[in-house]
Amino acid sequence: GENVEQHPSTLSVQEGDSAVIKCTYSDSASNYFPWYKQELGKGPQLIIDIRSNVGEKKDQRIAVTLNKTAKHFSLHITETQPEDSAVYFCAASEKGSTLGRLYFGRGTQLTVWP
Amino acid sequence: DGGITQSPKYLFRKEGQNVTLSCEQNLNHDAMYWYRQDPGQGLRLIYYSQIVNDFQKGDIAEGYSVSREKKESFPLTVTSAQKNPTAFYLCASTRRGGGGYTFGSGTRLTVV
Repeated sequence: GENVEQHPSTLSVQEGDSAVIKCTYSDSASNYFPWYKQELGKGPQLIIDIRSNVGEKKDQRIAVTLNKTAKHFSLHITETQPEDSAVYFCAASEKGSTLGRLYFGRGTQLTVWP
Repeated sequence: DGGITQSPKYLFRKEGQNVTLSCEQNLNHDAMYWYRQDPGQGLRLIYYSQIVNDFQKGDIAEGYSVSREKKESFPLTVTSAQKNPTAFYLCASTRRGGGGYTFGSGTRLTVV
């Protein structure tokens, strides 16, 4: 199956700075790459996603880039705020499945210091 | 509002007992999933179901069982065969055609 690696495992930034989380995947047939934010004691929430026919997608302070050739994708958060502090997970889809089992990275604990 | 509901939020179980975690969705999603989350381990797939009356083992199915008698419901039973059941359990669902999961708010199970 698919293997998703996520780095770094922890990330600390000052409020207002940018944060970047990177993921690599192993299966070139994967075609859907979502990012989730999980606050303490809650379930993960989808924050942005990208499909393999697109190289970049942006939603306000959050952007995701995808490099299919290198099989990696990244989450970029600009102008970070303390409420951005959470665990972030990347994921990649199971090839050929319209019901898309997702394979998750191990998560990045982001801390934004005021 | 549509969503996915897990209950209870907290659950305590004595060793040797089976316990069932509830997951219900009203999103008309076709597929449902159960994940286990332990500190520093990310999300590990236990079981998933893409259609009623059918389900597949995930990566850590031993000691767990599921059923999918209705499209809306996907309960997970943690059996006494599960050696280390204390964890945070997450249920998720998704629609045909792919797209992201919708997660429930989780059940924290503690074996006492």
